Amino acid sequence: QKEVEQDPGPLSVPEGAIVSLNCTYSNSAFQYFMWYRQYSRKGPELLMYTYSSGNKEDGRFTAQVDKSSKYISLFIRDSQPSDSATYLCAMGRSGGGADGLTFGKGTHLIIQP
Amino acid sequence: DSGVTQTPKHLITATGQRVTLRCSPRSGDLSVYWYQQSLDQGLQFLIQYYNGEERAKGNILERFSAQQFPDLHSELNLSSLELGDSALYFCASSADHRTDTQYFGPGTRLTVL
Repeated sequence: QKEVEQDPGPLSVPEGAIVSLNCTYSNSAFQYFMWYRQYSRKGPELLMYTYSSGNKEDGRFTAQVDKSSKYISLFIRDSQPSDSATYLCAMGRSGGGADGLTFGKGTHLIIQP
Repeated sequence: DSGVTQTPKHLITATGQRVTLRCSPRSGDLSVYWYQQSLDQGLQFLIQYYNGEERAKGNILERFSAQQFPDLHSELNLSSLELGDSALYFCASSADHRTDTQYFGPGTRLTVL
């Protein structure tokens, strides 16, 4: 079983729809969670960062973490064609020590105009 | 623009050769991370340096090595290259070793022929 599972898609939705992207994980040592957006052939861009269970909102984006279920989500409201990209969830084990992030493989999102 | 720079953008070389990838972190960031992204494995953490010292190792091959210099830029050295080393190599930086948010550079695309 992989540490982080993410549906690769593609996920295709019409412009203006609410998008739901999800990841599950198996390692309870993960303490902090991030969502990155990656356009084709570009570097990942940090969208959201959360440290605890619950919701965090930033503009059209809402990140949700449920540590008891080992499940995280990213919601995009009023989706735009410019949101078409690959979305990567990422997780880290400890905020107090050195570590790299563990990534999901990414979900390819297509917003249809 | 994340503020992290990487050179070169593209690199084409032959099997058995050695290459060096360069990264400059965001101004003020002390930690540098190296990641490899391939289609089958996704984004994989390789190694982290903090203020010139190695802090964490991930799935880095013995043929690969890295260092961080006094001016905080970092280099990733890949030797005895194989076809399977063809991938995107990303550098990320964060403010210190306790900071969980990592900002990625634009990447170096390595092609081994």
